[in-house]
Amino acid sequence: DAGVIQSPRHEVTEMGQEVTLRCKPISGHNSLFWYRQTMMRGLELLIYFNNNVPIDDSGMPEDRFSAKMPNASFSTLKIQPSEPRDSAVYFCASSSNTEAFFGQGTRLTVV
Amino acid sequence: RKEVEQDPGPFNVPEGATVAFNCTYSNSASQSFFWYRQDCRKEPKLLMSVYSSGNEDGRFTAQLNRASQYISLLIRDSKLSDSATYLCVVNMRNQGGKLIFGQGTELSVKP
Repeated sequence: DAGVIQSPRHEVTEMGQEVTLRCKPISGHNSLFWYRQTMMRGLELLIYFNNNVPIDDSGMPEDRFSAKMPNASFSTLKIQPSEPRDSAVYFCASSSNTEAFFGQGTRLTVV
Repeated sequence: RKEVEQDPGPFNVPEGATVAFNCTYSNSASQSFFWYRQDCRKEPKLLMSVYSSGNEDGRFTAQLNRASQYISLLIRDSKLSDSATYLCVVNMRNQGGKLIFGQGTELSVKP
């Protein structure tokens, strides 16, 4: 298995633009997590899905953030409109009810 | 209070030293526990699971104290390559497998 695949690896965008981050979990895993990591706040759980259903989105910072999981092999995290304070590394992880495996992350810079 | 708390460090130790990291969690319903390692600008990777009876993997020993809601990681004979950030992770299966990460403890092993 190729592991968790995220795209893009790097994204630089202007404030106000829409950003879409993508994730392909490991086949057979039933949980998918989106995390954001910054120096100041560490790894923050934004939202997670179980069997494609959002279970807890209490970590999503505000309405500008949304996430979907239309099927077991794909999820997106969208920021619209983006702001400079959204600059961070965004990780996707998947799990089969034990440990989680992470993608390589998307480094987002909003200027 | 954060759900998972760690001393952020940094811990600066000489090669060969023994170093211990501690982690506390607030939710007594937490059901499984892990230590992850994160290298600079990389994704977190599983180091080891933590079992109630304690477990050892080479130079690494993990312990869990459910009564005190406390997890520890001991690294013996530390190597330069052990320099990384160590993340304590709690899995709350009664919340659909929610995985909560501590802030991480930075370790720097010097020659």
